[in-house]
Amino acid sequence: EAGVAQSPRYKIIEKRQSVAFWCNPISGHATLYWYQQILGQGPKLLIQFQNNGVVDDSQLPKDRFSAERLKGVDSTLKIQPAKLEDSAVYLCASGATSGTGELFFGEGSRLTVL
Amino acid sequence: AQSVTQPDIHITVSEGASLELRCNYSYGATPYLFWYVQSPGQGLQLLLKYFSGDTLVQGIKGFEAEFKRSQSSFNLRKPSVHWSDAAEYFCAVSSSGSARQLTFGSGTQLTVLP
Repeated sequence: EAGVAQSPRYKIIEKRQSVAFWCNPISGHATLYWYQQILGQGPKLLIQFQNNGVVDDSQLPKDRFSAERLKGVDSTLKIQPAKLEDSAVYLCASGATSGTGELFFGEGSRLTVL
Repeated sequence: AQSVTQPDIHITVSEGASLELRCNYSYGATPYLFWYVQSPGQGLQLLLKYFSGDTLVQGIKGFEAEFKRSQSSFNLRKPSVHWSDAAEYFCAVSSSGSARQLTFGSGTQLTVLP
């Protein structure tokens, strides 16, 4: 079974530029999550989707971050304009609707903002 | 709101020694508890999980964890550490409702000495 796919793995941009990350979850997983992991910290939830609807985006900085999951499968997370403090690893995870909440994570996209 | 505390930022053990990583959680109802491991440049891999039943759970790579409701703890243990266990370890708690969001601790970095 294929895991959660993310791209790009690494991205370096200058502040005020924009960047987009892509995630393809495990086939059949209805829920999809984007987490931000700043160096030395645990992952922090940015947004949760159930199929193509947003369940929770309360911690997403909506003035600069946006995310979509148009067809209920893959998802894109965008940052525009980027700030220095956005330097982090962006992890995508997916999980089945039923069951006990286990999430499967991709390898992450590491963003460096200069 | 749910939260997780991992009081040890960094732990160093010798290869072959026993290991215990501490985790305390805060959650109003019965929690779903997880331990994940993250090697450098990699995503999060699930070590073990607790949902209900036997409070001592076995995971992969020889790890186990014990759920103690009275202490709000879910400590991770391994009787004999291998050099390949060097990584960062995250404890996480999930709601039992449909949202199934994971809240992570800040992590414990494990160094294994030869």
